[in-house]
Formats: sequence, structure tokens, C-alpha cells
Amino acid sequence: AQTIHQWPVAEIKAVGSPLSLGCTIKGKSSPNLYWYWQATGGTLQQLFYSITVGQVESVVQLNLSASRPKDDQFILSTEKLLLSHSGFYLCAWVEAPGNTLYFGEGSRLIVV
Amino acid sequence: GDSVTQTEGLVTLTKGLPVMLNCTYQTTYSPFLFWYVQHLNEAPKLLLKSSTDNKRTEHQGFYATLHKSSSSFHLQKSSVQLSDSALYFCALSSPTGGYKVVFGSGTRLLVSP
Repeated sequence: AQTIHQWPVAEIKAVGSPLSLGCTIKGKSSPNLYWYWQATGGTLQQLFYSITVGQVESVVQLNLSASRPKDDQFILSTEKLLLSHSGFYLCAWVEAPGNTLYFGEGSRLIVV
Repeated sequence: GDSVTQTEGLVTLTKGLPVMLNCTYQTTYSPFLFWYVQHLNEAPKLLLKSSTDNKRTEHQGFYATLHKSSSSFHLQKSSVQLSDSALYFCALSSPTGGYKVVFGSGTRLLVSP
């Protein structure tokens, strides 16, 4: 069975500091991976997706970037955090377009 | 572009009553519709999905029917339980629409004793 793990679980960071969030999926080769952002109680905003190593497509950037350094790894980062970056970041995978999204447990970020 | 509309932001009900959460969508592709449920401090999980017109799909007491003629995929349950309190998202994707998955704004369901 496929498992998706995100790290860290939670972070409190200062405005202007860098950020790196990670996502690893096991049990699935060449997964299609997504990053989503959710404000508290809000909708799920798709940020990036990647269908292969080294390739990332941006949907909405929000002053963030993403990378796919390994087949099973997806990284979300920024060099300078803004207050508006606070929220819940979710990594997800899908077998193919039109299929079910499976989410990781999420990383909660508070920017102060 | 593609869009999903959920008209209710908050629905409050007493246990045992029926519920319907509205979802309508717009797309030029063949629609695949999903309902995801998110409990407090958890990740969203799939509740229901459908791509077949006019066919009812059911899971855990919830049901929905995709109606392409009205571009709707409303979620229903005949008798809500306290454990149904959660945030519900309707989502749209398509095998021919690329890798974008569009979520509605979400409906929070609060069930009281």
C-alpha cells in the first residue's frame, strides 16, 4: 500500500525567514504529486504539481517554489516567509488525472 | 476556467435530521466529481466520487448523483450523526483536463445532540 509522509508536522517561523516543507511517498513509482495550501477553515488551493523527477508545474505560486529532486520526494520552499503563508500545507498524490487524490497528514505553518 | 460552487458555508443540524450540501460545477471537459471530508486538524479524505451521469453513488450513509444536465453533484444523508461534523469539499477534475483539481469553498457541517 502507498503511504505519504510530510515533514515537519508543524512549524512556527518568523516573517522573512526561509521555509522548507517535505513530502515523501512510498510504495508507488513515478507518482503524480501535488502541493495544496489551506487557510484555517478555508478551501484547498492547488499550488504545484509534478508528474516526474525534475519537472514542476506552477498553478498558483504565492511567492513559493517547489522541486522534485527524487521520484518519491516533493519539496515546497521559500527564501522569505510572509504572514500570508500561514496555513495548512498538504501534499497529495494521484494515480492519473481524474482519479482520487490521496493526501498526506499535512504540515501546519504559523508565520509570526 | 473550471470552477466548483458550494453555496452553503455553514450548515447546522440536530442529530437524526437529513442534510443536503449543494455542489455545482463548470467545465468544458468530461467531469469527474468528488466529495472529500475533512475532520478537525486532519487531512481531507475521499467520501464519494462519480463520473457517471444520473447514477447514485453511496458510501458511509452519504449519497450523491451526478447530473450533467444541471452540472450538479449534491451530497445527501438521510440522518446525520454527531460524527458527521466536519468540513466537506466538492472537487472537480477530468482525465482530459490535465492535472488541475479544483475544489469548492467548502461547507462546514455542525451536528448538535
